[in-house]
Amino acid sequence: QVQLVESGGGVVQPGGSLRLSCAASGFTFSSYGMHWARQAPGKGLEWVAFIQYDGSTTSYADSVKDRFTISRDDSRNTLYLQLKSLTAEDTAVYYCAKRPVAGSGRSYYFDYWGLGTPVTVSS
Amino acid sequence: QTVVTQEPSFSVSPGGTVTLTCGLSSGSVSTNNHPSWYQQTPGQAPRTLMYTTNIRSSGVPDRFSGSILGNKAALTITGAQADDESDYYCVLYVGSAIWMFGGGTRLTVL
Repeated sequence: QVQLVESGGGVVQPGGSLRLSCAASGFTFSSYGMHWARQAPGKGLEWVAFIQYDGSTTSYADSVKDRFTISRDDSRNTLYLQLKSLTAEDTAVYYCAKRPVAGSGRSYYFDYWGLGTPVTVSS
Repeated sequence: QTVVTQEPSFSVSPGGTVTLTCGLSSGSVSTNNHPSWYQQTPGQAPRTLMYTTNIRSSGVPDRFSGSILGNKAALTITGAQADDESDYYCVLYVGSAIWMFGGGTRLTVL
């Protein structure tokens, strides 16, 4: 069965950096686009970033553009999110989510989610 | 700046029917926004309920239905049950590989 397991979260100082990982299993990772989303404490969900199955396309929410970088290592079945120039507003649980259709087929939702990894930006 | 709007909260009686909506601050929601809906209970990961406006995800009971109502996407729960008490989020595709969540609706069943 599909499993997505995030890791790498923790406490980081303002201005700092962090790299989150999402280990995927139960499906052919290299065939699927992937997303990151986040949820600040007591707040709603926010879409953060997307990477196409072959890495040819990446996209970001305005709130994280130029600070966060999404990438993937298909040999490790792992999705990454590099976070830089962090502020308190980046404090959140970060979730990875899978695109439902393989390849470049049209699909505009998320079918499987991980349990999330918490990031706290604080001095 | 485009914002996806949802009712902050809603209440429904057990067995009752409730319709949650999802709008766009900059215009109308259409099937081209490929609305999807997610259910989340506190401390849990989201669960996919509905996609492409009105297709139920696997295992989702048929008391959940999706539609476009006027200029908004809508999620209707018919015959609400106690375990439907959750936060509900819509997601709209706004083009150029960009997705946007609504602010979420907290549904109370009482």
